[in-house]
Amino acid sequence: QVHHVQSGTEVNKPGASVKVSCTASGYTFTNYAIQWVRQAPGQRLEWMGWISTASGTTKYSQQFQGRLTITRDTSASTAYMELSSLRSEDTAIYYCVRSTSSTLDYWGQGTQVTVSS
Amino acid sequence: ENVLTQSPGTLSLSPGDRATLSCRASQSVSNSFLAWYQQKPGQAPRLLIYATSNRATGIPDRFTGSGSGTDFTLTISRLEPEDFAVYFCLQCERAPLTFGQGTMLEIK
Repeated sequence: QVHHVQSGTEVNKPGASVKVSCTASGYTFTNYAIQWVRQAPGQRLEWMGWISTASGTTKYSQQFQGRLTITRDTSASTAYMELSSLRSEDTAIYYCVRSTSSTLDYWGQGTQVTVSS
Repeated sequence: ENVLTQSPGTLSLSPGDRATLSCRASQSVSNSFLAWYQQKPGQAPRLLIYATSNRATGIPDRFTGSGSGTDFTLTISRLEPEDFAVYFCLQCERAPLTFGQGTMLEIK
């Protein structure tokens, strides 16, 4: 069945960068895009951006322009989300999720990123 | 950005009751791009309904989605104990994709 396994908990200092991985199984990786969504404490889910796993084309939320980089390694069926210049407000659970033509269906288990000095 | 507002914020019901959750968009959403998710504590969201009214794989038929334009509804016909959770709507028609703030369905 479809599975997305994300990398583990991260604790980073303000100003640092974090890179979260998302490894897919159970389907052909390049047939679907991958989206990244985060959930900060007490906040609604927030869309960050997506990548076409076939072409590598990306689209980012303006909120993260300049700080966010989404990449993929098709040979490893893995997508990556890198967020730089971290601040305390970036403390959240980060999710990867598969994207079909009309919805977001299968989510990873989430990665807790904590930004603290 | 298309802001999604869910109501009520919290819904207190008993097992066997009918639940009606609302999601209102600030701009019209095509029916093809409105989804509902369930989230339990410590878990990732789970897709329930996509394209307004289509149940995802394995979702029981007590979950029904409806609506159009700016007003969408998730109905749970007879609540089971495992249905008490937080529910979100999502519009994925236009970037930025946006989510509702959630409705918490709690046991009365």
